[in-house]
Amino acid sequence: QQPVQSPQAVILREGEDAVINCSSSKALYSVHWYRQKHGEAPVFLMILLKGGEQKGHDKISASFNEKKQQSSLYLTASQLSYSGTYFCGTEKGGSNYKLTFGKGTLLTVNP
Amino acid sequence: GAGVSQSPSNKVTEKGKDVELRCDPISGHTALYWYRQSLGQGLEFLIYFQGNSAPDKSGLPSDRFSAERTGGSVSTLTIQRTQQEDSAVYLCASSREALETQYFGPGTRLLVL
Repeated sequence: QQPVQSPQAVILREGEDAVINCSSSKALYSVHWYRQKHGEAPVFLMILLKGGEQKGHDKISASFNEKKQQSSLYLTASQLSYSGTYFCGTEKGGSNYKLTFGKGTLLTVNP
Repeated sequence: GAGVSQSPSNKVTEKGKDVELRCDPISGHTALYWYRQSLGQGLEFLIYFQGNSAPDKSGLPSDRFSAERTGGSVSTLTIQRTQQEDSAVYLCASSREALETQYFGPGTRLLVL
């Protein structure tokens, strides 16, 4: 039931783009994206609800394809500050609320 | 408060002892979450509170773990008879409502010797 993230790691040069994928074998109600820098608490990026929506702020956006049970996080014109581990958390919906997280994608942006 | 606070920030205990971790959410936030992160690992969801109630406790790793929230504010996570595998960073987060932006506290680093 743990979502699968890909790639496991990616190295970019400043200004390059990246896509991180999150796939589940179960029907999803929502997908949550977080970024965590080493030694720090995770920072919430966005939630996407089923309905195929796309969200974004600054140069980070995400899409959610409920038919494919997949979400993708898009980072464009990457900045050094984007470095960190990105986690997706998935939730099936219903009256109970339980997030299951992927193992994370380590993103390194070099000058 | 200005942000989510957790106490203690660090806790070293001996195997078999009980520990209590505290989380003070942002004032007015109805939803509160507990997570665990072992060294080099991802986030493990433990439990979620909406107000004082926790609809689903199945995320708690074992019956040695319990959590409560009183007055719709402070929450405590209690681990009884701690084991070495309980060593991790325990993170608390709160949000104004469920499915809204979650704000994380700094975490409690627990080391069980």
